[in-house]
Amino acid sequence: DAGITQSPRHKVTETGTPVTLRCHQTENHRYMYWYRQDPGHGLRLIHYSYGVKDTDKGEVSDGYSVSRSKTEDFLLTLESATSSQTSVYFCATTQGPTNTGELFFGEGSRLTVL
Amino acid sequence: DAKTTQPNSMESNEEEPVHLPCNHSTISGTDYIHWYRQLPSQGPEYVIHGLTSNVNNRMASLAIAEDRKSSTLILHRATLRDAAVYYCILRDRVQGAQKLVFGQGTRLTINP
Repeated sequence: DAGITQSPRHKVTETGTPVTLRCHQTENHRYMYWYRQDPGHGLRLIHYSYGVKDTDKGEVSDGYSVSRSKTEDFLLTLESATSSQTSVYFCATTQGPTNTGELFFGEGSRLTVL
Repeated sequence: DAKTTQPNSMESNEEEPVHLPCNHSTISGTDYIHWYRQLPSQGPEYVIHGLTSNVNNRMASLAIAEDRKSSTLILHRATLRDAAVYYCILRDRVQGAQKLVFGQGTRLTINP
């Protein structure tokens, strides 16, 4: 257990509204990730961070932004939510760029955009 | 990024061994083979990883082909709690950022 907390765990919102999901970790891991999971697509990487204020895009980054102002927090923001962003979002962390570092996942945040 | 290919689904019986295959024909010399699994309504969890040699841990064993173009995750005695989606992933040792790319995985069903 890497002490990963995602909030909120469930959210229902309307199209066009901003949404922020928070990932909080207590293990001082350097790397943090946001994935989304949809039926038939498995897990797809949205954005990741390799340090405070250091972030990069994943394979499905359009419509999402991230911020990391502290080691322990990685925020995912949907500036204007759309129905296509209805999904389950997972945060993950890992210690560093080593081949043996396992990835620890949060329990997920289920977002529904009406 | 090198890709992996897994069967969409597999089925086995409780207390029997399960062999989950994964093909990764474009694997590079710096790629480690990692396996994760996702239980229903949970986030993925780490199972095992390896480079060239077979690996064992308390959860499973990993058998890696000599040419490293395929691998097999072995659950020695499946239980109902092993029913999950299993993901085979290649992880580059050289890249600074840890960009794991998950495929669709294999959905394992365990029959009582």
